[in-house]
Amino acid sequence: GNSVTQMEGPVTLSEEAFLTINCTYTATGYPSLFWYVQYPGEGLQLLLKATKADDKGSNKGFEATYRKETTSFHLEKGSVQVSDSAVYFCALSDLSGGYNKLIFGAGTRLAVHP
Amino acid sequence: KAGVTQTPRYLIKTRGQQVTLSCSPISGHRSVSWYQQTPGQGLQFLFEYFSETQRNKGNFPGRFSGRQFSNSRSEMNVSTLELGDSALYLCASSREGDQYFGPGTRLLVL
Repeated sequence: GNSVTQMEGPVTLSEEAFLTINCTYTATGYPSLFWYVQYPGEGLQLLLKATKADDKGSNKGFEATYRKETTSFHLEKGSVQVSDSAVYFCALSDLSGGYNKLIFGAGTRLAVHP
Repeated sequence: KAGVTQTPRYLIKTRGQQVTLSCSPISGHRSVSWYQQTPGQGLQFLFEYFSETQRNKGNFPGRFSGRQFSNSRSEMNVSTLELGDSALYLCASSREGDQYFGPGTRLLVL
């Protein structure tokens, strides 16, 4: 079945460091891919998305490229801030269940220190 | 534009009881999906409602049910609560694909 695998956390970085959070997926067909962020005590916020191969999603300095050949959608940011500390979830739309059925990775906790 | 709202935000129940959670979607959104988030299982899809009809369902027992009203508000119900039902329950609404999540209802079963 469809699945998403993320690198385990926590990821601990100093402010202004480069961030990469790895995400790979297994899916039939061509799902859309998403990154969501969850701040403490809150729900999920859509960070960025890509709907087809080679698309690059970007938002708030974060980027991820839909790589079909490596089935990956790694999240990157050139210079992280303390305010980026949160849990990040990679997800795909399960086409067998329709666009609104999301399958999530386990989440990666990011801690950024001043 | 108001976001997705969920009530109540926190709930404590005992085993065997039942519980009803409510979700009000963003105005104009007709699809509402529900997810369960636990430390052990992560985020898992429960079901989706669109125009008052259940359109998709995840792999949860029949104790978990839901419904949607004509104004798109949705409720989910869990009967005969078990300790393992303790979780954050998130709902998300969408109109053209992108899902917007509410803050969740944290349920603790004692």
